[in-house]
Amino acid sequence: EAEVAQSPRYKITEKSQAVAFWCDPISGHATLYWYRQILGQGPELLVQFQDESVVDDSQLPKDRFSAERLKGVDSTLKIQPAELGDSAMYLCASSLAGRETQYFGPGTRLLVL
Amino acid sequence: GIQVEQSPPDLILQEGANSTLRCNFSDSVNNLQWFHQNPWGQLINLFYIPSGTKQNGRLSATTVATERYSLLYISSSQTTDSGVYFCAVITQGGSEKLVFGKGTKLTVNP
Repeated sequence: EAEVAQSPRYKITEKSQAVAFWCDPISGHATLYWYRQILGQGPELLVQFQDESVVDDSQLPKDRFSAERLKGVDSTLKIQPAELGDSAMYLCASSLAGRETQYFGPGTRLLVL
Repeated sequence: GIQVEQSPPDLILQEGANSTLRCNFSDSVNNLQWFHQNPWGQLINLFYIPSGTKQNGRLSATTVATERYSLLYISSSQTTDSGVYFCAVITQGGSEKLVFGKGTKLTVNP
């Protein structure tokens, strides 16, 4: 069964450093999402791509976060500089199209010291 | 925006017991998904169920869209069912993001 791949699975960094997360969606899925999940809460959307275009980045802290999906396949989410409050699980999901079933990857757990 | 409320927030069961988890939402939806988040943090799809009833083994789900709620039934619970269960919805029109509830934390004791 096809799965969403993410790396790394865990990342420990010091505040003010740069970090990057990678996501490879299920083959053929045009829509890709990055969510952030703080401990004890449900995930919240950071950014949504349709192919290579950003559809929704209204909740992305653009002063420090950036995301790209250059060829409309895999995607990278970057934080620079990292802050203590960025410690969370970062989840990538994909779907055939918007409003269809979303499938999640295993996530990247980030700890900022 | 849409509000998604899940109940109960915590549930403790003995192995073999049955349970019902509830999800209420405040607006019309055209996507509703139930997920199980395992102890490692992976969100596992259980059901895509914007309306109607579905069953998969010991799990079943029912969504009554007109009354804006969904129920997840777990029968003959096992210790491996432990974890957090999330309901998430996409509203009709507007954003295509999933809006999650706060989850129900289920603990199944042997």
